[in-house]
Amino acid sequence: QSALTQPRSVSGSPGQSVTISCTGTSSDVGGYNYVSWYQQHPGRAPKLMIYDVNKRPSGVPDRFSGSTSGNTASLTISGLQAEDEADYYCCSYTGSYTFVVFGGGTKLTVL
Amino acid sequence: QLQLQESGPGLVKPSETLSLTCTVSGGSISRSTYYWGWIRQPPGKGLEWIGSVFYSGSTYSGATYYSPSLKSRVTISVDTSKNEFSLKLSSVTAADTAVYYCARHGPSSSSWPPEFDYWGQGTLVTVSS
Repeated sequence: QSALTQPRSVSGSPGQSVTISCTGTSSDVGGYNYVSWYQQHPGRAPKLMIYDVNKRPSGVPDRFSGSTSGNTASLTISGLQAEDEADYYCCSYTGSYTFVVFGGGTKLTVL
Repeated sequence: QLQLQESGPGLVKPSETLSLTCTVSGGSISRSTYYWGWIRQPPGKGLEWIGSVFYSGSTYSGATYYSPSLKSRVTISVDTSKNEFSLKLSSVTAADTAVYYCARHGPSSSSWPPEFDYWGQGTLVTVSS
């Protein structure tokens, strides 16, 4: 199972919005409503930010939102803050043989 | 608050078996119904799911699920008496050098929640002679 495709890096200024894409296939992103997103600061464990495409766990700011269109999932961060600078990974269910696949990760820089 | 903590050797020789344990605190594996998983991250690289185990306090099935690319070398099991689950990866090579995380699946209501809501801090395992 190939990793989902994410841009290596994105950037934005404080207060702006950024969108990170995650491209898969009809066997993963496009086939199931089970896309999740993780935020990872250097030296830290990943933190779940979005699950089931667009649901936020308790405690995650509503500045973070998720969506899908066809085989591409997106994470949008609005009102960008310095603390949002981190690596972001998407993840999708892939069926009952391979189960889970992650994206390659995107480094978000807050300018 | 649920907490997970990985433990095990930080250095493993090539061809040997990597063994890690994840101790769960703030919650009981035996009195809950969750999937518990292992994910790894090579230095400077992305995340890779290794495998997961299902445990139900009412109907323990011991069902395991493994990444096809690692399936021939991986074993994941649960020890409810110690409130922990473990990972064994055999015949390791330098390519298995990574930070290994244990995590709990959830909170999706899916029959197989493919996301991870609680993570351990991770432990670096280096494969080298």
